[in-house]
Amino acid sequence: NAGVTQTPKFQVLKTGQSMTLQCAQDMNHEYMSWYRQDPGMGLRLIHYSVGAGITDQGEVPNGYNVSRSTTEDFPLRLLSAAPSQTSVYFCASSYTTPGRHGIYTQYFGPGTRLTVL
Amino acid sequence: KNEVEQSPQNLTAQEGEFITINCSYSVGISALHWLQQHPGGGIVSLFMLSSGKKKHGRLIATINIQEKHSSLHITASHPRDSAVYICAVRNSGNTPLVFGKGTRLSVIA
Repeated sequence: NAGVTQTPKFQVLKTGQSMTLQCAQDMNHEYMSWYRQDPGMGLRLIHYSVGAGITDQGEVPNGYNVSRSTTEDFPLRLLSAAPSQTSVYFCASSYTTPGRHGIYTQYFGPGTRLTVL
Repeated sequence: KNEVEQSPQNLTAQEGEFITINCSYSVGISALHWLQQHPGGGIVSLFMLSSGKKKHGRLIATINIQEKHSSLHITASHPRDSAVYICAVRNSGNTPLVFGKGTRLSVIA
């Protein structure tokens, strides 16, 4: 298994540009989520999904859109990038049902470092 | 919303020392996670526990549900243990995790 993959690893955008951060997992996990990590702050949830076709907002959803058309993929879209969105973005996935391996272990992607100028 | 506090924020230890990192939370939970973030940025899950104690190699995690407190211990610390250790809690079922800000550990040879 490749686990959770994210692309790109690094990205520089200008204010106002749009882009999509890609996330894919090959573990058939129902639950996928996007976090951002900023200096001095814990990981903050942007959006999450408990299955294909179902998404919900997390703690800091403004300026981001997501969709979940397949179990494997969970792209994060920045509609009009702003300097405040400069951050490291992590995608994660896990099972949702206790008893499947008995745990809700979250598997994290390697992260995408985004800079908005 | 659950508030998750970790202490200390930063910790420097000599190789071989016994290390303790603490995590407190404000609201009852269904599960608590300990994660490790490597200097390169990758995040891996170390433990998930809802009661008692778990051990994996030199790592031990304990939780006291009544006191809303968990500890992560590292025995015989090694420079390769240098990382940020993150505590995260889940309020119930499969609600999203709430993360602490992390504890940065440096182990010096």
